[in-house]
Amino acid sequence: NAGVTQTPKFQVLKTGQSMTLQCAQDMNHNSMYWYRQDPGMGLRLIYYSASEGTTDKGEVPNGYNVSRLNKREFSLRLESAAPSQTSVYFCASSEARGTGSSYEQYFGPGTRLTVT
Amino acid sequence: AQSVTQPDIHITVSEGASLELRCNYSYGATPYLFWYVQSPGQGLQLLLKYFSGDTLVQGIKGFEAEFKRSQSSFNLRKPSVHWSDAAEYFCAVAISQGAQKLVFGQGTRLTINP
Repeated sequence: NAGVTQTPKFQVLKTGQSMTLQCAQDMNHNSMYWYRQDPGMGLRLIYYSASEGTTDKGEVPNGYNVSRLNKREFSLRLESAAPSQTSVYFCASSEARGTGSSYEQYFGPGTRLTVT
Repeated sequence: AQSVTQPDIHITVSEGASLELRCNYSYGATPYLFWYVQSPGQGLQLLLKYFSGDTLVQGIKGFEAEFKRSQSSFNLRKPSVHWSDAAEYFCAVAISQGAQKLVFGQGTRLTINP
């Protein structure tokens, strides 16, 4: 099992460019999440997908869109990148079946994005 | 609103010394609590979790944490740290608001002195 994979690992964009971050999980998990990590801010939830076919905004959704392509894949799109979106982005997944252990989230290795 | 506070942004300890990282949460119901570790340039790895039962939980790499409901705390401990424990540590509480989510603290960066 690869777990949660993310591509690319690194990306540099110019202001106004667009890009899509890809995430896939092979654990048959129901829920998937996108976070951004900034120094001193911990992890902040951008968007999540509770189940295939649904997506919802998290704490910091502005400037982002997501697509839950199927149960395995959840992509994050920046339509017009801004320097404030320079961050490390993590994708995560969880079983999310209502029991305690199913809240556990499994994380990908992250994408380091710089917007100049 | 649910929240997690890690009061210490940065802690430095000597190798072989004991360690305690603090975590306080705010959540109305019985919490599900987690500690994750992030090594430099890596993703997050689960250290341990608390759902119910014994309030002292054991995790990987020799870590343990104690849930204290009266203090709304879930502090992480290790009796003797190793240089490889240098990392950032995140405490999180699980919430269910239409979907199951985690709320993370700001993180504590641990530096180990040789």
